[in-house]
Amino acid sequence: GENVEQHPSTLSVQEGDSAVIKCTYSDSASNYFPWYKQELGKGPQLIIDIRSNVGEKKDQRIAVTLNKTAKHFSLHITETQPEDSAVYFCAASMGSSASKIIFGSGTRLSIRP
Amino acid sequence: NAGVTQTPKFRVLKTGQSMTLLCAQDMNHEYMYWYRQDPGMGLRLIHYSVGEGTTAKGEVPDGYNVSRLKKQNFLLGLESAAPSQTSVYFCASSSNRGPDTQYFGPGTRLTVL
Repeated sequence: GENVEQHPSTLSVQEGDSAVIKCTYSDSASNYFPWYKQELGKGPQLIIDIRSNVGEKKDQRIAVTLNKTAKHFSLHITETQPEDSAVYFCAASMGSSASKIIFGSGTRLSIRP
Repeated sequence: NAGVTQTPKFRVLKTGQSMTLLCAQDMNHEYMYWYRQDPGMGLRLIHYSVGEGTTAKGEVPDGYNVSRLKKQNFLLGLESAAPSQTSVYFCASSSNRGPDTQYFGPGTRLTVL
């Protein structure tokens, strides 16, 4: 069945450095790729998303890239800050379905002061 | 505007007991979802609904039932709880405009002894 693989599972970076999280997906019909941030004790919250007709999207310190040929997409966080410490999940729509997405297993990002 | 709310926040059950988790949203969303989150496994879809009166199975539906009698509410039931159902449960909702942001509730931590 469809699946999304996410790497690394844990990531520790120095404050001010960049962090990169990578995901691959299996369903070539997927056309929507959101990224969620989950802080301790809270539900996931969307931070950025990208659709298949776009190769890159940026929002301040966060950017996402998509390579549909290789079926992988990445999250880039620049100038990391302590408040970036959280668990990040990538996801992909199941086919072109409007209703379902499948999540990666998550990356726990820690920012060292 | 409370977004997505879940009750209860915490619950401890004994094996074989039953319970219902309630999710409510005030955003007039058509789609609603129930996920479970286990360490290292991301979020897995249990059941979902694409509108009032409809339900469908997700990735891990066994042992759970759902109902969507009102558009704003989505109930998740465990008829005979098992220790394998110890998890954190999240409800989410989204609009029906195509693949779009899912808004998550704060979660329910369930322990089955």
